[in-house]
Amino acid sequence: LAKTTQPISMDSYEGQEVNITCSHNNIATNDYITWYQQFPSQGPRFIIQGYKTKVTNEVASLFIPADRKSSTLSLPRVSLSDTAVYYCLVCPSGAGSYQLTFGKGTKLSVIP
Amino acid sequence: ETGVTQTPRHLVMGMTNKKSLKCEQHLGHNAMYWYKQSAKKPLELMFVYSLEERVENNSVPSRFSPECPNSSHLFLHLHTLQPEDSALYLCASSQDQGLAGTDTQYFGPGTRLTVL
Repeated sequence: LAKTTQPISMDSYEGQEVNITCSHNNIATNDYITWYQQFPSQGPRFIIQGYKTKVTNEVASLFIPADRKSSTLSLPRVSLSDTAVYYCLVCPSGAGSYQLTFGKGTKLSVIP
Repeated sequence: ETGVTQTPRHLVMGMTNKKSLKCEQHLGHNAMYWYKQSAKKPLELMFVYSLEERVENNSVPSRFSPECPNSSHLFLHLHTLQPEDSALYLCASSQDQGLAGTDTQYFGPGTRLTVL
């Protein structure tokens, strides 16, 4: 399973764009990159997933360079309710791919 | 609402008690999971069920006993727990076992367990 590295914490003011970068140097060809969000005392919630280039949904954008050794989650114009822990995961395909490996994540604090 | 419910939301038990955690998913998924999240530690996968059969047991002590009577329900039976077992226990479900690499897991709100 590919190991991921992301900052432990980040602070941002309301209304700013937040970019959280995750490195995954040993990502495999069939691996997907997935981001989850977790609020205190709740289960993680899927945000976005991608394989390469750029993916955008109503919540966030995910940028993946050509070598796929890193990815950046972009949250536009954050609000106080975006304060949470954000996890970057590399999700393998095939047998055993249910083994999601959650690291410590990035604790985002949005400041008024 | 993620379509995955867990009861109870909070549980306090003594080390000699026997209790059960319940999880129900309303998404028509085939796979269900139990995770443990201790304070300041990453989520740990405990058990995986696919089509009601256990496919993974990540070296979990026998004082935790899972049960999956059908594809919509998952239980975690607890007995003679230790204080270090106090944690947030999370249930999740997914369409399949993640074979496609894009299979998203949907988590319930968790049960906050305190062992005295």
